Amino acid sequence: DGGITQSPKYLFRKEGQNVTLSCEQNLNHDAMYWYRQDPGQGLRLIYYSQIVNDFQKGDIAEGYSVSREKKESFPLTVTSAQKNPTAFYLCASTSVGREGGGYTFGSGTRLTVV
Amino acid sequence: AQTVTQSQPEMSVQEAETVTLSCTYDTSESDYYLFWYKQPPSRQMILVIRQEAYKQQNATENRFSVNFQKAAKSFSLKISDSQLGDAAMYFCAYSNDYKLSFGAGTTVTVRA
Repeated sequence: DGGITQSPKYLFRKEGQNVTLSCEQNLNHDAMYWYRQDPGQGLRLIYYSQIVNDFQKGDIAEGYSVSREKKESFPLTVTSAQKNPTAFYLCASTSVGREGGGYTFGSGTRLTVV
Repeated sequence: AQTVTQSQPEMSVQEAETVTLSCTYDTSESDYYLFWYKQPPSRQMILVIRQEAYKQQNATENRFSVNFQKAAKSFSLKISDSQLGDAAMYFCAYSNDYKLSFGAGTTVTVRA
């Protein structure tokens, strides 16, 4: 079945460490997204990419970095510059030209700073 | 950034009754898409219903329907015949030029 796979499901980070969250899709979608969700809050856009080797900052990009070397993959690195990284992270994708069809989401990664 | 506002942090509904969730948005665009997503305790985001701004007819998906008022920039969700499985957080979302923005969400509780 086609879908989005996020890994790991749970991730623990020590202070000062960089960590990378994985997002892989086999839907042949062009556009991919990273969102952050804090407890009881909505989703805030971190980065998005509409095409390979290109990406744009979202509303809260500081302290995060991404790459888009392959159409299927859009990894997110949470750097030590991100002062409060503990949150739930969701990856999403959609097909260019079919934006109205909706966005597909992965099952998320829960990141905790220890 | 586009602003999507959900003014009801929590709503409670009796099983089999109807509940309406409010959503307003701010945009200067004429062509865009609106969505309602459901997030149950599993935290998986599930698309409930979608609406294209150029369509005047309100979307309907089984027990879920919307009231889309383009001039008022309002997009409310009505859940009819509420079921226990409808209990979740509901997010209103706006999309234009492949950028999807969310409201803060409304937690729906269903009373048996």
